[in-house]
Amino acid sequence: ETGVTQTPRHLVMGMTNKKSLKCEQHLGHNAMYWYKQSAKKPLELMFVYNFKEQTENNSVPSRFSPECPNSSHLFLHLHTLQPEDSALYLCASSQGPGNYGYTFGSGTRLTVV
Amino acid sequence: LAKTTQPISMDSYEGQEVNITCSHNNIATNDYITWYQQFPSQGPRFIIQGYKTKVTNEVASLFIPADRKSSTLSLPRVSLSDTAVYYCLVGNTGRRALTFGSGTRLQVQP
Repeated sequence: ETGVTQTPRHLVMGMTNKKSLKCEQHLGHNAMYWYKQSAKKPLELMFVYNFKEQTENNSVPSRFSPECPNSSHLFLHLHTLQPEDSALYLCASSQGPGNYGYTFGSGTRLTVV
Repeated sequence: LAKTTQPISMDSYEGQEVNITCSHNNIATNDYITWYQQFPSQGPRFIIQGYKTKVTNEVASLFIPADRKSSTLSLPRVSLSDTAVYYCLVGNTGRRALTFGSGTRLQVQP
């Protein structure tokens, strides 16, 4: 357990489904992130939140919708996804959005069918 | 953000010392150097961070020369469980999030 908890660990969804990924941290961190990691590819930064405010959106399609109700919780709402969106989705948190030590969760393995 | 270059892969044997070098020629004055380790289907794990000279913790050492244009992660006496991808990142404690490159895939053989 790293201190960042992601649920669910695995998710299979159809292209017309709506689902949400959840991330929770109780490390007292102020910044939270969503990263996507496709097979054999580097991690791609998706969204950054600092003190609940979105500070970066890395040109992510609108079928991915993040939500950060407080500094401890981060959601990624998914709708009308494509098979190429299948990947490992990782949440991370840190003291701030720069080069502080990031703590990652174990990820959600998403398969879109 | 400073661009980093590191070998795509490395092979080693159990018990050996492994040194992974990262080049970051355009590192800025206020940038720190950070290394992460990632096992398959898991999130990266913070290993070590430094600014200059040498930093050591219970897991690894980080060597940074005076010009800071490169850095070397040293893993003493590796074991099979050190087989992973290692990422070198450079950035400051500002507002921009870290961007991960392709990393170095270390394979430790028995």
